[in-house]
Amino acid sequence: AQKVTQAQTEISVVEKEDVTLDCVYETRDTTYYLFWYKQPPSGELVFLIRRNSFDEQNEISGRYSWNFQKSTSSFNFTITASQVVDSAVYFCALIFMDSNYQLIWGAGTKLIIKP
Amino acid sequence: EPEVTQTPSHQVTQMGQEVILRCVPISNHLYFYWYRQILGQKVEFLVSFYNNEISEKSEIFDDQFSVERPDGSNFTLKIRSTKLEDSAMYFCASSGQGTSTDTQYFGPGTRLTVL
Repeated sequence: AQKVTQAQTEISVVEKEDVTLDCVYETRDTTYYLFWYKQPPSGELVFLIRRNSFDEQNEISGRYSWNFQKSTSSFNFTITASQVVDSAVYFCALIFMDSNYQLIWGAGTKLIIKP
Repeated sequence: EPEVTQTPSHQVTQMGQEVILRCVPISNHLYFYWYRQILGQKVEFLVSFYNNEISEKSEIFDDQFSVERPDGSNFTLKIRSTKLEDSAMYFCASSGQGTSTDTQYFGPGTRLTVL
């Protein structure tokens, strides 16, 4: 069965701290696609990143970085030097070939950055 | 930058009434989706649409739901007879100039409240 797990329901840190959001998944597929989306308090879903299962290179975009490890079925997201504007719910989601191309979502992690 | 738009932003209706949620996908995208998010919960797939027909639908998408692309730009979700449990945020997404595994870009959502 295809499954995406974000075990951290809520994380609270003080501004400027680094924070890592965990995402693990289960699949027997060899090809799949991994995504992170941000949902700020205003409610929209903002695309952050996409990775393909055959590309295990980590990615950095400014203060954001993603660590994809196929061996542990994890796709973790780190925010360096967090800012109050990073406060949001972050969702990890995957497209599995066996899921007919629909996004399978984790439950989300609510990130609170305190000033 | 092209974006998905949705109207209305908030819809309040009485139980049993029909509602139509409207979406304008990104203009050169070929795949269209509806998802919903009950308050505080994970995002759930409803339906995907390609080449003027439904390509996949979830168990949630029962006979009360229908989708349509009435013209070259709009993509609608109709709920025939709303129930209290239909209260949720409904997101439209579009993707794909090439394949259905392309990144899905989301609209801002329509908050549906059924009284």
